Amino acid sequence: AQSVTQLDSHVSVSEGTPVLLRCNYSSSYSPSLFWYVQHPNKGLQLLLKYTSAATLVKGINGFEAEFKKSETSFHLTKPSAHMSDAAEYFCVVGENFNKFYFGSGTKLNVKP
Amino acid sequence: ETGVTQSPTHLIKTRGQQVTLRCSSQSGHNTVSWYQQALGQGPQFIFQYYREEENGRGNFPPRFSGLQFPNYSSELNVNALELDDSALYLCASSGGPGTGTIEQYFGPGTRLTVT
Repeated sequence: AQSVTQLDSHVSVSEGTPVLLRCNYSSSYSPSLFWYVQHPNKGLQLLLKYTSAATLVKGINGFEAEFKKSETSFHLTKPSAHMSDAAEYFCVVGENFNKFYFGSGTKLNVKP
Repeated sequence: ETGVTQSPTHLIKTRGQQVTLRCSSQSGHNTVSWYQQALGQGPQFIFQYYREEENGRGNFPPRFSGLQFPNYSSELNVNALELDDSALYLCASSGGPGTGTIEQYFGPGTRLTVT
């Protein structure tokens, strides 16, 4: 069975500093992995996806994530936070392309 | 290109009633998945429909059922509503098996309140 653990429920950074949102997964298969962002009162937006190609995945808005099989991790990073990055972020693992499991989410706060 | 749309936006029902939520998939997508997002939690996978057949199901009881139509739009039906069914219900569409586009695109959701 698949599962996702987002290690931090809240992360707070200052504008212009790096962002690290941590995600660990368990999977019986070669997983597909995703990060989504949810702004208040807005729909979920896909940031990036991993599907067994390059292990370093670049997404929108300067975000990237690295798939590390040995650590079963898929952490999300951004070199420099912007105020508009404040939102909730979800790590997702896909099973056979027909079941998708969300983590519990990490709320990112960006301080001016 | 039209994105994923859902109706209604908000809904209030009484315990024991039945509800139907609707979703139109993004143009070119033949796969629709439904999720339940309780307040303060991540979305929970309910089920997926591909070419009008249920193609995967999460840990939800049979009173959660669905349909997909030939135009790939979909309905989520919930019978015998319980207070714990109060949540945001999200629909997502994707290209489907064999298309190479497995990522899902989400609609804005339907907020269901059960009293």
